[in-house]
Amino acid sequence: KNEVEQSPQNLTAQEGEFITINCSYSVGISALHWLQQHPGGGIVSLFMLSSGKKKHGRLIATINIQEKHSSLHITASHPRDSAVYICAVALNNDMRFGAGTRLTVKP
Amino acid sequence: SQTIHQWPATLVQPVGSPLSLECTVEGTSNPNLYWYRQAAGRGLQLLFYSVGIGQISSEVPQNLSASRPQDRQFILSSKKLLLSDSGFYLCAWSVGTASFNSPLHFGNGTRLTVT
Repeated sequence: KNEVEQSPQNLTAQEGEFITINCSYSVGISALHWLQQHPGGGIVSLFMLSSGKKKHGRLIATINIQEKHSSLHITASHPRDSAVYICAVALNNDMRFGAGTRLTVKP
Repeated sequence: SQTIHQWPATLVQPVGSPLSLECTVEGTSNPNLYWYRQAAGRGLQLLFYSVGIGQISSEVPQNLSASRPQDRQFILSSKKLLLSDSGFYLCAWSVGTASFNSPLHFGNGTRLTVT
């Protein structure tokens, strides 16, 4: 079993829909990162959080340390949100990555 | 503002040839530097990280090595490439005392194909 599990693996939505991507982990962590990888390969860091909730524009990330679970929400999704979203957990001297969720938002 | 430069963008190399990928960061001092690899159809994997000049930590034993000759320069090397070294290599930086508890900033990546 992977230490970081993301669901779903693939997600197709219509423009305007509310999107939720989930991440569960099985190890003790010091922080959790949400990353966005565009089709060309470039990666952008969306959030880093160790507790609670963070919001940036239409993106919201939450984490529940007790349940070892985090969610990434996208409100009013748009085709430009189409990308692979990656959850990564920070350990003491290492990082572990989820396999990613491929999101396609159709106009 | 801070920027990260990574080159080349794409590279095709024969098996057994050497490799040198370079990454430089501008606009920040004493960054934490990272090399990641994403093999085809697989997730990201941390290869090396560095918290200072000459300090390299390796996460995965393999035929790759990393060096940090200057504060804002991080180099990924191999003496002899294997087919399994093909992949997408990403350099990243962060600041802060805790290496993995700071936001990461990624370069545009190098797509390496070993033939």
